[in-house]
Amino acid sequence: SAVISQKPSRDICQRGTSLTIQCQVDSQVTMMFWYRQQPGQSLTLIATANQGSEATYESGFVIDKFPISRPNLTFSTLTVSNMSPEDSSIYLCSVDSGTGAAGELFFGEGSRLTVL
Amino acid sequence: GENVEQHPSTLSVQEGDSAVIKCTYSDSASNYFPWYKQELGKRPQLIIDIRSNVGEKKDQRIAVTLNKTAKHFSLHITETQPEDSAVYFCAASKSTGFQKLVFGTGTRLLVSP
Repeated sequence: SAVISQKPSRDICQRGTSLTIQCQVDSQVTMMFWYRQQPGQSLTLIATANQGSEATYESGFVIDKFPISRPNLTFSTLTVSNMSPEDSSIYLCSVDSGTGAAGELFFGEGSRLTVL
Repeated sequence: GENVEQHPSTLSVQEGDSAVIKCTYSDSASNYFPWYKQELGKRPQLIIDIRSNVGEKKDQRIAVTLNKTAKHFSLHITETQPEDSAVYFCAASKSTGFQKLVFGTGTRLLVSP
C-alpha cells in the first residue's frame, strides 16, 4: 500500500486567484493521478502525471487551467488557476500499485477547495 | 470512451438486511471492476474488485458478481451494519500498464439500526 499526504486539506479562495495542491507519496511511483470530486458527485480523472514528461489530460481539462508538476517519483503538484465558484471541489491525488496491471488505487485525503 | 452507470443513487436498509448496488459499463474491452467505499469526509478505499476471468468473488459479507455478456456487475452486502453506511462507487478499467478508472455516479447507502 501507499501513504499519500496532500496539502492543503482545505482552503477558501477568492475568485480569480490560483492555488497549488501538493501531493507527497511515501514510495517511488511511476504515475500519479489527479481526480476531481465535485460536491456530492463522482470522481473524475483530471490528468495523469509522469515523472520527466508532460502530464496527460483527460477530455475537458486543459493544462492552462490545471498545470501539473512532477519533479520526482514521490511528489506532484496540481494548480487550479484563475478559480471560479465552479472549481469548488475536492481534489484527490492517487497512485496505483505500480505493478503495471490494473489494480488498487490509493487516494490522498483530498483537498477541499471553496471558491467565493 | 468508457461510461459507467450506477443504480440506485441512494439506498436505505435496516441493519441485518442485504444491499445490492448495480453498475453497467459500455466498453466491452473493460476487464477490471473495483468497488470503492467513501465514508463521509474520508478518502475512497477499495473494498473488493473483480477481473473479467471470474464471475463472482466474495470477501466475508461482501460479494461482487460480473456478467460480461450483459456488461454489468453488482455489489452485494449481506447482514448490513451501521458502519456500512457510506457512498459506494463502482468503476471500470481496460488498462494494462496504465490505470485509468472510470467511476460510476455513486450510491449512498444508509443502514439504520
